[in-house]
Amino acid sequence: KQEVTQIPAALSVPEGENLVLNCSFTDSAIYNLQWFRQDPGKGLTSLLLIQSSQREQTSGRLNASLDKSSGRSTLYIAASQPGDSATYLCAVRDNFNKFYFGSGTKLNVKP
Amino acid sequence: EAGVAQSPRYKIIEKRQSVAFWCNPISGHATLYWYQQILGQGPKLLIQFQNNGVVDDSQLPKDRFSAERLKGVDSTLKIQPAKLEDSAVYLCASSLYGEGEQFFGPGTRLTVL
Repeated sequence: KQEVTQIPAALSVPEGENLVLNCSFTDSAIYNLQWFRQDPGKGLTSLLLIQSSQREQTSGRLNASLDKSSGRSTLYIAASQPGDSATYLCAVRDNFNKFYFGSGTKLNVKP
Repeated sequence: EAGVAQSPRYKIIEKRQSVAFWCNPISGHATLYWYQQILGQGPKLLIQFQNNGVVDDSQLPKDRFSAERLKGVDSTLKIQPAKLEDSAVYLCASSLYGEGEQFFGPGTRLTVL
């Protein structure tokens, strides 16, 4: 069974810093991987979707990479802002169309 | 484009009572998902519909949970009877097709006393 882990569980950085969030998965046979943002009391907002054949995706200050062979994905946030404070979740879709979420990294960007 | 709609946003009930949640996916999205998110954890898939057929309900506690997707559009998730451990946020998501990007609604926060 696929297991998705996100470390650290919480991260606090000063504004302006570049940062990396990590997501690891145990089974490399994935279909795609999606990064989400969740604000308190809200649903999930899709940030980036990486297909298994891709190595990275970029959107604005966000860059997500995927290394299937090592079972890892990273979300890079450039020039962090207080508005980036939220919980970031990664989710893996396997080849049987089943989803597995990590438990998230709670990011706090201090002004 | 309107997003995924869910109602109610909050619900407080006592254990052994029944409760129902409603979801309206993005127009044209064939696939609909219900997730349970317990505080501090990632969402857990309860059931996935493709149009009005069930694709995966392997993690749905079928003795107390049921779900249906009316005419392949709106969906309802019901819990009967509720237990304390059902306290969670219930998220609905939809995608254009089965392997597509998922879009989530705001969720329904359920508290069982």
